[in-house]
Amino acid sequence: AQSVTQLGSHVSVSEGALVLLRCNYSSSVPPYLFWYVQYPNQGLQLLLKYTSAATLVKGINGFEAEFKKSETSFHLTKPSAHMSDAAEYFCAVTTNTGNQFYFGTGTSLTVIP
Amino acid sequence: SAVISQKPSRDICQRGTSLTIQCQVDSQVTMMFWYRQQPGQSLTLIATANQGSEATYESGFVIDKFPISRPNLTFSTLTVSNMSPEDSSIYLCSAGGNSNQPQHFGDGTRLSIL
Repeated sequence: AQSVTQLGSHVSVSEGALVLLRCNYSSSVPPYLFWYVQYPNQGLQLLLKYTSAATLVKGINGFEAEFKKSETSFHLTKPSAHMSDAAEYFCAVTTNTGNQFYFGTGTSLTVIP
Repeated sequence: SAVISQKPSRDICQRGTSLTIQCQVDSQVTMMFWYRQQPGQSLTLIATANQGSEATYESGFVIDKFPISRPNLTFSTLTVSNMSPEDSSIYLCSAGGNSNQPQHFGDGTRLSIL
């Protein structure tokens, strides 16, 4: 079975500061990992995905994430936070043996001006 | 990537009534999914809907309460039956997710039951 854990349900950063949102996964087979963002009153939008190619993945809006197998992590980062980054972020895992996605509990990002 | 259109975007319903949510995809997809998202919480999978077969429901969700249709490769509906205030939630449709491909989501239906 697969699962993801997102440490920190709420993260606050100052505008221009580094954004770090944590995601650790559990999977008995090689995982595929995703980060989604959800703005108020909207669905989930794909930020980036890891599918066993490059371990450092670049996504939209300046976000990137690094797959670290030894740490079973897939943390999301952005060098400089923007006010428009305030949203809910979800990490998800799946594998090539099934189609079900397992979502983390989400991290709410607040950007302080 | 697939574009998902979901409607209605929100509704306020009376206790005991039913509401059907529609999900339209702009391309043919094998798998569609229905999720429930309680306010401030993560997504809970209700069921997986494949064209030409019965939907597969997750533990805690039953067909009588959440009947699903999947008449073709671009469309699905979820009905929330005999609604109670506990059904107040956001219902999300998604498509894709085959192998290493991401799921793409509609904007959701925000449902309130009085």
